[in-house]
Amino acid sequence: DAKTTQPNSMESNEEEPVHLPCNHSTISGTDYIHWYRQLPSQGPEYVIHGLTSNVNNRMASLAIAEDRKSSTLILHRATLRDAAVYYCILRTTSGTYKYIFGTGTRLKVLA
Amino acid sequence: EAGVAQSPRYKIIEKRQSVAFWCNPISGHATLYWYQQILGQGPKLLIQFQNNGVVDDSQLPKDRFSAERLKGVDSTLKIQPAKLEDSAVYLCASSHYRAGNTIYFGEGSWLTVV
Repeated sequence: DAKTTQPNSMESNEEEPVHLPCNHSTISGTDYIHWYRQLPSQGPEYVIHGLTSNVNNRMASLAIAEDRKSSTLILHRATLRDAAVYYCILRTTSGTYKYIFGTGTRLKVLA
Repeated sequence: EAGVAQSPRYKIIEKRQSVAFWCNPISGHATLYWYQQILGQGPKLLIQFQNNGVVDDSQLPKDRFSAERLKGVDSTLKIQPAKLEDSAVYLCASSHYRAGNTIYFGEGSWLTVV
C-alpha cells in the first residue's frame, strides 16, 4: 500500500493561513489524495480530495504537485476549531477502495 | 441524513472477557469498515465489507476478533478473549460509490481492558 509522510505537529496563529504538507513519493497514477481531520474524541471527518488538479471547497484548498509526489492542504484562516489531527491518505482504486491512515499532523492553533 | 451510529460508546472489561460493538452505517452505503485506533496513532483498518461480503480482513487478528455484516446493513465486531493491548477506539465507517467513495465515520466505541 502506498504510504504518506507528514510532520508530527505544526502550530499556527488564529486567523492566519496554514499549509499542511504531505509527501507520497510512491503514489500510483490512479491513487486519489484524500485529507481527513480528527477532532478530539470524534471520528475522522472528510476535508477534501483530489487526483491531479488543485481543488477548493468550503473547508480548505488542496494543492497537488505536478509530479503528484507531494500535496499541501491549505486552511485559509485557521480558527481554534481547526485544532485537530490532519491525515493525508492515498485512496487506492484497485477494486476495494482502501483508506490507509498514517500518523497524521497534529495542528495546534494559538489564540 | 443520519450518520454512522455506533454502540456502546464506552466499555470497560477485564482481560479474557468478551465484548461486542455494533455499527449501523449510513442508509444505502454498501461498503462498511472497522478501524482500530490506539491512543496516539492513526486508525488501522481491521476489516472491510462490500455489502455482506468481506473484501479485506488482512489486519484482523482472527484468533480473537470476528466481524459480521448480516443482510448487508448492520455490522458487529466481537473480541473474545480480550487482551490489554486491545484497549483502543473502534471506529466504524461507511461509503458508497455514488458519494465518491468518501468515507463517513461514526464517533467510535472506546474500549478499556483492565
